[in-house]
Amino acid sequence: DVKVTQSSRYLVKRTGEKVFLECVQDMDHENMFWYRQDPGLGLRLIYFSYDVKMKEKGDIPEGYSVSREKKERFSLILESASTNQTSMYLCASNKQGPGTQYFGPGTRLLVL
Amino acid sequence: AQSVAQPEDQVNVAEGNPLTVKCTYSVSGNPYLFWYVQYPNRGLQFLLKYITGDNLVKGSYGFEAEFNKSQTSFHLKKPSALVSDSALYFCAVAGTASKLTFGTGTRLQVTL
Repeated sequence: DVKVTQSSRYLVKRTGEKVFLECVQDMDHENMFWYRQDPGLGLRLIYFSYDVKMKEKGDIPEGYSVSREKKERFSLILESASTNQTSMYLCASNKQGPGTQYFGPGTRLLVL
Repeated sequence: AQSVAQPEDQVNVAEGNPLTVKCTYSVSGNPYLFWYVQYPNRGLQFLLKYITGDNLVKGSYGFEAEFNKSQTSFHLKKPSALVSDSALYFCAVAGTASKLTFGTGTRLQVTL
């Protein structure tokens, strides 16, 4: 079974803090994705990576950056957290091409 | 640009009755279509997908979906709903690239 894990289920941070969200997949997938989920808006793509050290902006990259130093690990970084970044963050991975994406359990982030 | 519309925020159905959750899409070229389900405080779970072939796709937990190219629709169906089917359902589309575009989600409520 594909397994995608995320470093935290719940996080509480202060405005202005630097926040790291980590995602690890164990299926040797080339592609990894970060989404945020907000009520009424569905899932929106923040960034994705199609190879180590490669990244591409999604639909809402502002205020975020990413890092992929190893194939199995994809990190989302909030350089200076703001209250409007309070959300559910979901990581996913898949093989090359438009195949099925497999999701982690999500991290619920609250920025105070 | 690709897009997905889920016109119903919520669908209510009695246990034992058939259910339909609607999805229409827009994409250049041949579509890759997916349905995912999300239970409270969990990540998304893959239900089924259409890539090519038979227009009726069968998936997990007794769900199926019908691809209709002329109506650009991919409605999710189940002949007999269960209370345990109550969850948030997302439709998603991809073109030839790896990125998925999700709908805003439809909450399914199944009552006794």
